[in-house]
Amino acid sequence: AQSVTQLGSHVSVSEGALVLLRCNYSSSVPPYLFWYVQYPNQGLQLLLKYTTGATLVKGINGFEAEFKKSETSFHLTKPSAHMSDAAEYFCAVTGSGGYNKLIFGAGTRLAVHP
Amino acid sequence: NAGVTQTPKFRILKIGQSMTLQCAQDMNHNYMYWYRQDPGMGLKLIYYSVGAGITDKGEVPNGYNVSRSTTEDFPLRLELAAPSQTSVYFCASSPTSHSQGAWYEQYFGPGTRLTVT
Repeated sequence: AQSVTQLGSHVSVSEGALVLLRCNYSSSVPPYLFWYVQYPNQGLQLLLKYTTGATLVKGINGFEAEFKKSETSFHLTKPSAHMSDAAEYFCAVTGSGGYNKLIFGAGTRLAVHP
Repeated sequence: NAGVTQTPKFRILKIGQSMTLQCAQDMNHNYMYWYRQDPGMGLKLIYYSVGAGITDKGEVPNGYNVSRSTTEDFPLRLELAAPSQTSVYFCASSPTSHSQGAWYEQYFGPGTRLTVT
């Protein structure tokens, strides 16, 4: 069965510092991988996705993630944090059985301080 | 496009009451989903639908029911509310395009925060 583990439920960085949010997955089939962001009191919005092809994918707001099959990882990074990046981030992997089902990680809350 | 809309935004229910959470999308998506979000637990799939008239259970369906009479609407019904159903509920939809990954891009509504006391 597919699963997602996000290491660190809370991450705190200084403004301008590197952001690194960790995601490891398990999947019995080639996965599609996603990062979603949730701002306070809002729904989730897609940040970026990996399907096939280039393993380094770029998303909105300067975020990127690299698919590493050998490490079963899909970590999210941003070179320089901005105060507006404070949010909760969810990694997700496609579930088995089709019908577009996604399996979500527990989420990582990112705090950015001045 | 309004995208995915949900009503109400907030609701407080007493134990044993029933209610329907409304969800609508105007993107002509065939696939729709209901999730619940609990702190530290991520999102859990309650029910999903692959088109009008077709629904199926997700990971945590107990205590809920759904129907899908039109492409646009996918209401979630709580029949006998229990404190364990206190949560934030999200509706989502996704397209049926055959381009890679598009099938799996889910578009979320703003959520309904439900408290059962």
